[in-house]
Amino acid sequence: NAGVTQTPKFQVLKTGQSMTLQCAQDMNHNSMYWYRQDPGMGLRLIYYSASEGTTDKGEVPNGYNVSRLNKREFSLRLESAAPSQTSVYFCASSEPGRLGSPLHFGNGTRLTVT
Amino acid sequence: AQKITQTQPGMFVQEKEAVTLDCTYDTSDQSYGLFWYKQPSSGEMIFLIYQGSYDEQNATEGRYSLNFQKARKSANLVISASQLGDSAMYFCAMRGTSGTYKYIFGTGTRLKVLA
Repeated sequence: NAGVTQTPKFQVLKTGQSMTLQCAQDMNHNSMYWYRQDPGMGLRLIYYSASEGTTDKGEVPNGYNVSRLNKREFSLRLESAAPSQTSVYFCASSEPGRLGSPLHFGNGTRLTVT
Repeated sequence: AQKITQTQPGMFVQEKEAVTLDCTYDTSDQSYGLFWYKQPSSGEMIFLIYQGSYDEQNATEGRYSLNFQKARKSANLVISASQLGDSAMYFCAMRGTSGTYKYIFGTGTRLKVLA
């Protein structure tokens, strides 16, 4: 099984450009998440979708939008990229009905905004 | 609000020795879950171990064990018989049950195993 698949793996943008990070999971999980990882700051939640049809802001949502396209897919959009959005982005999924369900992560997208 | 604190930015351990990575948490939820993840230099996030707040016994998974002290709100990861491949970043995370499904993470501890 592929698990959680993120694309692209690397991306370089100029300030002001837009892009969409794609994420798909094949584990039939209800919940999906987007995190960003910056040195010394751990993983911070950008947005999450508890179930198909719902999305909620996390800790650092400014500058991002999300779409839960269906149960499998959850995309993250940067409308006007800024250098402060240079980071590693992780998509993850879990089964929220079970407290012990861990997050399953994609391999990450390394984004650089110049 | 929920919070995870990892106070050790970096740790060194000699190969074959045991090491404890600290994690303290804060939550008002009665029921919650605690998780540890490993992130090697290749960047992927690997789930290691889970402890539920109502679990009576400390969780163990192979060489990993979780020293759970509920009254102190601590969930320290113990790695026994360290191996060179254990060199990585380690993250503690928590999920509560108060109506949301958010997982929050600490800032991580970078472990270096010395030969």
